[in-house]
This record gives sequence, structure tokens and C-alpha cells, in this order.
Amino acid sequence: EAQVTQNPRYLITVTGKKLTVTCSQNMNHEYMSWYRQDPGLGLRQIYYSMNVEVTDKGDVPEGYKVSRKEKRNFPLILESPSPNQTSLYFCASTLLGTGVDGANVLTFGAGSRLTVL
Amino acid sequence: AQSVTQPDIHITVSEGASLELRCNYSYGATPYLFWYVQSPGQGLQLLLKYFSGDTLVQGIKGFEAEFKRSQSSFNLRKPSVHWSDAAEYFCAVQGGSEKLVFGKGTKLTVNP
Repeated sequence: EAQVTQNPRYLITVTGKKLTVTCSQNMNHEYMSWYRQDPGLGLRQIYYSMNVEVTDKGDVPEGYKVSRKEKRNFPLILESPSPNQTSLYFCASTLLGTGVDGANVLTFGAGSRLTVL
Repeated sequence: AQSVTQPDIHITVSEGASLELRCNYSYGATPYLFWYVQSPGQGLQLLLKYFSGDTLVQGIKGFEAEFKRSQSSFNLRKPSVHWSDAAEYFCAVQGGSEKLVFGKGTKLTVNP
């Protein structure tokens, strides 16, 4: 089944304790992206990647890191989490291109709810 | 850069009633337009999209949307709402090679 898999789905941690949220897709998509969702603010993009070893900042990158060493994986790293990073996080991926079936349509993971105390 | 506005934060309708969710965008040309739905505790699922061609697009679950260039709108409609349609709905716009931008969402409550 074509999907985007995020882990963990739920996490409670404490300020300053490094954590990684993994994201993996099995659709050979070039583009991957991380979003955070907060009440009243919709989805805001954190980081995105156009392909392996190519990453770029989104709208709210502060406090986050990403890497794209393999096409299928795009982990989100919080080096020193703070309470304002408590949020619902989504990973998404898509094919790129014009006229390519399914291109530019994001497939989302189920979300990772993170609480930082 | 493009932007998108969903004017209604929360809408309540009765089961069986018709539904229209509003979406307005700002972009100099015709963008790609999307509606996604997020059921409680779930990720986002694509309802429908508009890239070009026929301005009335059909999606899953009986939804449709109409692109109106003159009004910079892409409103989502359904003739008869079911209780299972209760969810949050996001309009999104992508202009050219720019990134996808989401609206803040409209939460739909369906009364029995």
C-alpha cells in the first residue's frame, strides 16, 4: 500500500531532550515536506526537500533540523525541544512535474502529536 | 507569493442540508488549487484538485468545487451533507513553481 509512515504517533518529552520524528514513504516521491498544525493557524511548513541531499527552509524552521540521505526517508530533528514546539506534525510527499499522474498532490502521514513539558 | 483565505472558521449544518465552504486565493495567474479533508485524529486526504480545464471539478465523497477566476475563488460544495462529513477542510493553493500554501481551515459540524 502506498503510504507515508510517521513515528512516533504520540510523544511526551521534556524541554531540551533531543528527539527525532521519522518519516518514510514507499512511493519513490522526490518531494517531501514537514508541517506543523496548530489551532487557528492551519498547516505551516517547517522544511521541505526536493530530492536527496536537497533541503530548504519553510515558513517556521526555527528549532528544527532535517536530513534527506535517502529518497524514502525525511526525519525531523528537534535538537533542544521547547514547549512552543508542542504541536501536531505531519509529513507529506509527492511526485514533482507537469503532466505526471499524481504529481503535485501531497500524500500525508497520519500525524505525530508531540508534547514538550 | 500566493495566499489563501478561508473566511469561515466554523460552520454548522444539519444532516441532509447543502454545504458550501468558501476559499479565496491571491495569485497573479491561475494556480493549482486543492481541497483536503482532515477527519478527527487523521491525516489530510485529498478531496479534489484543479489544475486546468473544466472549472467545475468533481471529487471524492460527493464533493465538487468550482474555480471562478473573476472572483479568485475555489468554493467547495456538497448537495446533501452526511454525518460522516464532519471534519476540518483545508483549501490550498500552489502558484507555478512556488510551494503549496494552506488556508487556516474550516471546521464542519453536522447536526443530526
